[in-house]
Order: sequence, then C-alpha cells, then structure tokens
Amino acid sequence: AQRVTQPEKLLSVFKGAPVELKCNYSYSGSPELFWYVQYSRQRLQLLLRHISRESIKGFTADLNKGETSFHLKKPFAQEEDSAMYYCALSGNTGFQKLVFGTGTRLLVSP
Amino acid sequence: EAQVTQNPRYLITVTGKKLTVTCSQNMNHEYMSWYRQDPGLGLRQIYYSMNVEVTDKGDVPEGYKVSRKEKRNFPLILESPSPNQTSLYFCASKTHRESYEQYFGPGTRLTVT
Repeated sequence: AQRVTQPEKLLSVFKGAPVELKCNYSYSGSPELFWYVQYSRQRLQLLLRHISRESIKGFTADLNKGETSFHLKKPFAQEEDSAMYYCALSGNTGFQKLVFGTGTRLLVSP
Repeated sequence: EAQVTQNPRYLITVTGKKLTVTCSQNMNHEYMSWYRQDPGLGLRQIYYSMNVEVTDKGDVPEGYKVSRKEKRNFPLILESPSPNQTSLYFCASKTHRESYEQYFGPGTRLTVT
C-alpha cells in the first residue's frame, strides 16, 4: 500500500533560519515523489518533483530510498514561504493515483 | 487563462438533499480527479476519470457519484449528503494519465447539517 507520512502539523521558524519539512513514505516499488504547496488564498500547486532534481524558490528535496524519505529543505526561510506543504507519492504504475500526506503548515516569522 | 473552476465555492445544505458540485477545465486535459481535504487526513482521492466516459473509484468513493460526459466537465454528485461529508473538496486535472503535474481548482467548502 502507498502511504505518505508528514510527522509535523506545524513548523514555526524565524526568517533566515533553515527549514526542513519531513516526509516519509511507504511503497514497495519505485515511487515518484512530489511536494505541493498551498499559499494563503491560493490553489494547491506543484512545488517540485524528485526526478527533476531542481531547486524551486530555494527549496530542494532529495529522495533517500534507504530511509524512504523525501524531506523538503531551504537554507534560509523567507516570510513568503509561509504556506501549507504537502508531500505526495505516485506509484510506478503511472501517475494515475496521487497519495498525499497530511500536510505541514510552515510559519515564518519576521 | 488556463484553469480549473469549481462551483459553488461555498455551500451549506441539509442531510439528504441532493447536490452537485461542478468542475470544469479549459486545458483539454484527459484526466480529472476529485479530492476531499479534512483536518489531520490531508487530501484523499474520491474518484478519478482518465477520459470521457471512463471513471474509477479512488480511496473514499462511498456516498459520491461522478460522471464524465464531456472532456471539460467532471461533476461530483452527492445523492444523499450526510454530515460526515462536510469537507473541503478539490477538483484537479492533468494532461493525461501519465502526466505528473495536477492542476487544482480553488476548492468547494461544503457543510452538511
């Protein structure tokens, strides 16, 4: 079964501090992992995808198959990073089904 | 503007009164999906459709129906709503089943009393 766990409901940091949003997954095959973000009053949108290995808005995420993790990191948080972040997994049967974690709210204070 | 629209955005109704939440996309996407978002549970897939007249159950389909008669529309039907269907509902679409990025609608907040 596919499962995504985000252990933190809320992560509160000060501007300029490093941020790490945790995501662990359970899947027997080779997963595709994503981070989606929802800013206040905006739609849920794709932030990044593990296979692209890009840095988007200063965020990066590395897939660690040994630890079955896909943590989202940013070295210096900005106030505009405050949002709800969802980790999501799609199995190797195609992207038909996306399983989401419960989400972590990131609050960046000035 | 390319987007997914949902109507209504907010709805308060009573138990048992049939309702439909519409979802429309103007991107010619083949794949569409419905999710519900509940505190502590994240987003859970209700139904999805890979193309016109092709629909399938997601993780939490009980109490819901869908139809896909046209490519652009994917309405969510609650034949007899119950209070446990009070939730925030999102429609999403993507180009086709193998695409990885889903585009989400703004959400519909439904309250069933």
